[in-house]
Amino acid sequence: EAQVTQNPRYLITVTGKKLTVTCSQNMNHEYMSWYRQDPGLGLRQIYYSMNVEVTDKGDVPEGYKVSRKEKRNFPLILESPSPNQTSLYFCASSFWQGYGYTFGSGTRLTVV
Amino acid sequence: TQLLEQSPQFLSIQEGENLTVYCNSSSVFSSLQWYRQEPGEGPVLLVTVVTGGEVKKLKRLTFQFGDARKDSSLHITAAQPGDTGLYLCAGVGQAGTALIFGKGTTLSVSS
Repeated sequence: EAQVTQNPRYLITVTGKKLTVTCSQNMNHEYMSWYRQDPGLGLRQIYYSMNVEVTDKGDVPEGYKVSRKEKRNFPLILESPSPNQTSLYFCASSFWQGYGYTFGSGTRLTVV
Repeated sequence: TQLLEQSPQFLSIQEGENLTVYCNSSSVFSSLQWYRQEPGEGPVLLVTVVTGGEVKKLKRLTFQFGDARKDSSLHITAAQPGDTGLYLCAGVGQAGTALIFGKGTTLSVSS
């Protein structure tokens, strides 16, 4: 089944404790992207990648890191999480952003 | 910064009614997408439109891309409770980089 898999689905952590949210796709897509979704603010792009070793900042990249060492994986790293990073995070992939993304099921992160 | 404005923000209707959701911008987009999202889940792509003036139909849903590629609309005919959800439009700018989302329209259809 074609899909984008994110893990974990839920995560509660403490301020300052480094964490990684994994994302993997099995569709051989070039584009991958991370979004966060917050009430009243909608979906905002954090980082995106057009191919292996090619990444670029989205609208809200501060406090996040990404890497694209393999085509299928695009992990999101929070080096020192803060409470304002509490949010619902989505990973997505596509052949091309203009074609349309396939989204993962989301990771609900709470930073206390 | 390119922005996509969606209206209305909330819509509550009875089963069988028709409705239209709008997505507007002052910028030109190379393509525009519509998604539907249910609570706690990721958005699901409904349609992509790329040509100015393009109209696409998906059963009871009709999508239109404005001639100038700055706006789009989603029309639902004879809404059903299963249409309930958050409808999002998203556009790729002419530079072909970031995919920008509108804030969404929350639709509630009651029987």
